[in-house]
Amino acid sequence: ETGVTQSPTHLIKTRGQQVTLRCSSQSGHNTVSWYQQALGQGPQFIFQYYREEENGRGNFPPRFSGLQFPNYSSELNVNALELDDSALYLCASSWLGTEGYGYTFGSGTRLTVV
Amino acid sequence: EDKVVQSPLSLVVHEGDTVTLNCSYEVTNFRSLLWYKQEKKAPTFLFMLTSSGIEKKSGRLSSILDKKELFSILNITATQTGDSAVYLCAVGRTSRQLTFGSGTQLTVLP
Repeated sequence: ETGVTQSPTHLIKTRGQQVTLRCSSQSGHNTVSWYQQALGQGPQFIFQYYREEENGRGNFPPRFSGLQFPNYSSELNVNALELDDSALYLCASSWLGTEGYGYTFGSGTRLTVV
Repeated sequence: EDKVVQSPLSLVVHEGDTVTLNCSYEVTNFRSLLWYKQEKKAPTFLFMLTSSGIEKKSGRLSSILDKKELFSILNITATQTGDSAVYLCAVGRTSRQLTFGSGTQLTVLP
């Protein structure tokens, strides 16, 4: 049981459209990150939100944007979709344990852009 | 530029074999090294390593970190078909950003 839920599980969009992916993390996990995982690759960091503010961003263009809400839910928005945006999008919440930060991933949203 | 390199990229073994997966890294502001198992979608947590030379064990899986040589290994003994998955190595930074390797695809044949 992951504790992090994402929706939808998969969707198909047309090039040029916009998409919103959603994530709900556990209460108390005040940091959420989004990752893009292309087929056959490891996840790539998109950005991170802490207390509703973006506080870290990977090498992704501004058409990738996000929001975090007070109820620990989060959104990833992608504008002007391109074929290369087809990937599994993973949301992760982080929490501070005794040895450092742990990360719990959701099951992801599989996005196909045609 | 930060990088995490896993080897081998893929591995095919038979049930009962022992496997060793490798992960080397060059990452600024290192905080921890994590191993995940990914079968279909969600990576599931296996280990977090923060100190050199201390082996972590969970059943047939074990892992160790060498912070001087900048690498980690994940061992799986007496492999089972249920171990078939992609194994991901990730380095956690002080910013809490994870940098992943490209993974090792393990296939265990009956």
